[in-house]
Amino acid sequence: AQKITQTQPGMFVQEKEAVTLDCTYDTSDQSYGLFWYKQPSSGEMIFLIYQGSYDEQNATEGRYSLNFQKARKSANLVISASQLGDSAMYFCAMREARIISWGKLQFGAGTQVVVTP
Amino acid sequence: NAGVTQTPKFQVLKTGQSMTLQCAQDMNHNSMYWYRQDPGMGLRLIYYSASEGTTDKGEVPNGYNVSRLNKREFSLRLESAAPSQTSVYFCASSEQGARINTEAFFGQGTRLTVV
Repeated sequence: AQKITQTQPGMFVQEKEAVTLDCTYDTSDQSYGLFWYKQPSSGEMIFLIYQGSYDEQNATEGRYSLNFQKARKSANLVISASQLGDSAMYFCAMREARIISWGKLQFGAGTQVVVTP
Repeated sequence: NAGVTQTPKFQVLKTGQSMTLQCAQDMNHNSMYWYRQDPGMGLRLIYYSASEGTTDKGEVPNGYNVSRLNKREFSLRLESAAPSQTSVYFCASSEQGARINTEAFFGQGTRLTVV
């Protein structure tokens, strides 16, 4: 069963605007971590931001923030003041704490973001 | 700072040929992973190694084998390549797999085409 769902295959956003990328997840664990990665056209995977299930505050890293709604099992990424260099594929990922999972990162299908001038 | 190094970057194989993708990390990480990336499907885990000397199957292990040669190196072998294995392959490592807050570091990827 798909554990990470990203429902937006692609989005266009104008430069300087904010954009929200949706991510919902499925787990029965109480302890888990959520990650967002960026993949530009060059192909490398770049870690952006992390949110732990027990973190009381939403994570922020520069222009990236994570809108974490635990009861709804959603972890949306907000990019403020979009720049042309933000054009990329964005992946949401989850790691569960159970030993049987051995810390495997599970990924969603990704959202392609295109920033236009 | 090398991080995670994968070789080769590109490869074309004929159906039925075999090859090994190499991966090495210099961050002293315990856990290493092999993923494949296909359009519209995100990254899917093929195999992982929680620590030196252990390996286990991920979501899509069929047609692949792995070797955790030592703490640094984790190789992925295709014994008899099939067109369905055309994909981009990523190796990744993380400090300690069972901790939820450890990010994974990725190699640059290997673009494999099987004809």
